[in-house]
Amino acid sequence: DTAVSQTPKYLVTQMGNDKSIKCEQNLGHDTMYWYKQDSKKFLKIMFSYNNKELIINETVPNRFSPKSPDKAHLNLHINSLELGDSAVYFCASTPGQGYEQYFGPGTRLTVT
Amino acid sequence: GEDVEQSLFLSVREGDSSVINCTYTDSSSTYLYWYKQEPGAGLQLLTYIFSNMDMKQDQRLTVLLNKKDKHLSLRIADTQTGDSAIYFCADDGGGADGLTFGKGTHLIIQP
Repeated sequence: DTAVSQTPKYLVTQMGNDKSIKCEQNLGHDTMYWYKQDSKKFLKIMFSYNNKELIINETVPNRFSPKSPDKAHLNLHINSLELGDSAVYFCASTPGQGYEQYFGPGTRLTVT
Repeated sequence: GEDVEQSLFLSVREGDSSVINCTYTDSSSTYLYWYKQEPGAGLQLLTYIFSNMDMKQDQRLTVLLNKKDKHLSLRIADTQTGDSAIYFCADDGGGADGLTFGKGTHLIIQP
């Protein structure tokens, strides 16, 4: 069974559109994250979410918003997509500090 | 902000040892991690080390940590073609707010 899953795996869309990427973990973890990996393979934390507490990396535009309908899901909504949003987005989860972070397979977003 | 630095490329011959180095600035880091990413794939945790340890060995992998110098290294013994990947160093900043990753070291294996 997949521990952390993301849908879709690939997403191609036009500039200006609004899109969502879904993430689900079946591990019972308390904390979930979104990371962005750009075309140079650089990985950066975007958000962490734990028990309704959201911590946002200050460099993330407010067009990005995470939504957690329940503890097992943390979806990423992106409004008014821009070319620079093209990247691979990874969801991750962990039971807490000091434990392994389990990463999803990634969603490759291409904005045209 | 906190920073993690690594060389972008390392080229080694098959059968030799690979040593990937990493430096970090966050003195409150509790755990430091090494992740592997193969082309087109996700992130695979290779190993991690608690900040009060100075060495951890797991089969072909040896992690060395110099906390005073904030230097972390990953040694892969008997490097194989299947080890060709990007290796990311990451630290937890002492909390659960997310990992800070280095830019990744591309390990290139020469026959």
